[in-house]
Amino acid sequence: DQQVKQNSPSLSVQEGRISILNCDYTNSMFDYFLWYKKYPAEGPTFLISISSIKDKNEDGRFTVFLNKSAKHLSLHIVPSQPGDSAVYFCAGVMDSSYKLIFGSGTRLLVRP
Amino acid sequence: DTAVSQTPKYLVTQMGNDKSIKCEQNLGHDTMYWYKQDSKKFLKIMFSYNNKELIINETVPNRFSPKSPDKAHLNLHINSLELGDSAVYFCASSQELAGKWGDTQYFGPGTRLTVL
Repeated sequence: DQQVKQNSPSLSVQEGRISILNCDYTNSMFDYFLWYKKYPAEGPTFLISISSIKDKNEDGRFTVFLNKSAKHLSLHIVPSQPGDSAVYFCAGVMDSSYKLIFGSGTRLLVRP
Repeated sequence: DTAVSQTPKYLVTQMGNDKSIKCEQNLGHDTMYWYKQDSKKFLKIMFSYNNKELIINETVPNRFSPKSPDKAHLNLHINSLELGDSAVYFCASSQELAGKWGDTQYFGPGTRLTVL
């Protein structure tokens, strides 16, 4: 039972353009959502998070949008840079469960 | 100065063997985790410890046993290795239990286990 789904396994964008990575979830009890970025042969690193009571959180070039009615969130990267090429994982967490539920990741390639 | 380190980085072994993966964090965090990334690339929680106390124990075969000698270390012992145990195992740590204010987890580089 996949509570967090990233249906696009890969995405390719031109440098300078916007990258939009999508994530859907089924569990309406999630309190927070987080995005992690992973380079090859490294562990995931935290990128940005959003509380379920918010609909937007911004940090520099990264913005996460949450649409609770659609159970959908997205990560926008503007402008995209070649160094952003990585696998991006979406995760949800419930305060009471103490564990992150991850999606399967989306591989982003930013072409110079 | 590595925040979360794991050893070994690669581990190739035969079925039926017993092996251990070590994890250490120097962040002063109270909580540590083990995740398994399977062939479908999902990262799934296996265990979490908070102040050396087991908090989460997902549906993991009892051949897997975590050991936390102190707050900075969480080792993973695997007995009687099976082919299906082949995966990448990630250790992580956080200041609080995951879920409290969406606390960030810091991951190690992973250990790629291959069972032949």
